[in-house]
Amino acid sequence: KNQVEQSPQSLIILEGKNCTLQCNYTVSPFSNLRWYKQDTGRGPVSLTIMTFSENTKSNGRYTATLDADTKQSSLHITASQLSDSASYICVVSAHDYKLSFGAGTTVTVRA
Amino acid sequence: DGGITQSPKYLFRKEGQNVTLSCEQNLNHDAMYWYRQDPGQGLRLIYYSQIVNDFQKGDIAEGYSVSREKKESFPLTVTSAQKNPTAFYLCASSIALAGPKNYEQYFGPGTRLTVT
Repeated sequence: KNQVEQSPQSLIILEGKNCTLQCNYTVSPFSNLRWYKQDTGRGPVSLTIMTFSENTKSNGRYTATLDADTKQSSLHITASQLSDSASYICVVSAHDYKLSFGAGTTVTVRA
Repeated sequence: DGGITQSPKYLFRKEGQNVTLSCEQNLNHDAMYWYRQDPGQGLRLIYYSQIVNDFQKGDIAEGYSVSREKKESFPLTVTSAQKNPTAFYLCASSIALAGPKNYEQYFGPGTRLTVT
């Protein structure tokens, strides 16, 4: 069964600090990996999409990494802001219609 | 929320009633999806549609029905057969099926359905 596991489940950081979220997956065959940001009560918004051949991708203060050999990805948030408080979802797709979603990591940024 | 609208934002229904959730997109996308989100779980696919007049069951289609009569519209009906209908429902669209390609999947703002 294709699975996506995210850690930690939640974390609290101080404004201006960095943090890293983890995503491990068992989806096979792998096609691409996506990171989404979801504000409370809203729909997810895409941050990055990475294919097998990409091992890092940035979107502003967000940097995603991918190690397709170990089936691990991380999302690094640099110089966190209050607006970064949200749930971050890792999504992995195989070579079919289906996307496998992780349960998300809830990030709370405190002033 | 990128050109996808869902209405209403909050919906309350009594047990045993069918209810229809609206999803409209003006992105000219062929593919549309319905997901369900429950606390502590990843999004689960209910139904998806690759093109007008075609739709396929996802992982948790039981108790739900959809139609795709127009490209821009993909309404979801939650029937009385759905055992645990209270959830946050998300509609999404992409230019074509997002799985095997790097197509961006755009989500609507969601509808929170509460059934008592």
